[in-house]
Amino acid sequence: RKEVEQDPGPFNVPEGATVAFNCTYSNSASQSFFWYRQDCRKEPKLLMSVYSSGNEDGRFTAQLNRASQYISLLIRDSKLSDSATYLCVVLPWGQKLVFGTGTRLLVSP
Amino acid sequence: NAGVTQTPKFQVLKTGQSMTLQCAQDMNHNSMYWYRQDPGMGLRLIYYSASEGTTDKGEVPNGYNVSRLNKREFSLRLESAAPSQTSVYFCASRRGQGPVSGANVLTFGAGSRLTVL
Repeated sequence: RKEVEQDPGPFNVPEGATVAFNCTYSNSASQSFFWYRQDCRKEPKLLMSVYSSGNEDGRFTAQLNRASQYISLLIRDSKLSDSATYLCVVLPWGQKLVFGTGTRLLVSP
Repeated sequence: NAGVTQTPKFQVLKTGQSMTLQCAQDMNHNSMYWYRQDPGMGLRLIYYSASEGTTDKGEVPNGYNVSRLNKREFSLRLESAAPSQTSVYFCASRRGQGPVSGANVLTFGAGSRLTVL
């Protein structure tokens, strides 16, 4: 089993839709969790950290479910500019982050 | 504010050639990292440096060497390039030296696309 697994997609949604991605992780001792966004042929950029109590940043909501070992990202009112690949990132221990392969989102007019 | 700067952006090598990817950050970060990204594989850690003067192997170190020249610079060297090293390479840095946390995340450079023929 991979340490971090994501549905590669693509998720095709119309503008204004709500879309959610899940990411499962295998190491129950994982400490920190993040969502990064990566545009085509660009570097990954931090979208948001994921806190145990869940957190929201505008249209984006991140949740952590430790019992089932997954994190989720919900995007409300999707914009064309949200089209990108979303990387789930987990810290099992120390400094070595583990990156998922990403979920591709395509928002269409 | 340049952040993390990588050079070159693109490079084509023949099998067996050597080259060095350069990375510099101007954020006074302590830790620096080299990753490679391949289709369907996600980002994989090659080497990292928790502080000036230290380097450690990551998940896929074979065929690479690194040098933490000073606090700002962390270079990645391919001594004898192989087609399997065709990839996009990202350098990253972060302020802290301890475990990654919400206040202490990675900032990436724009990437270096390497093709080995």
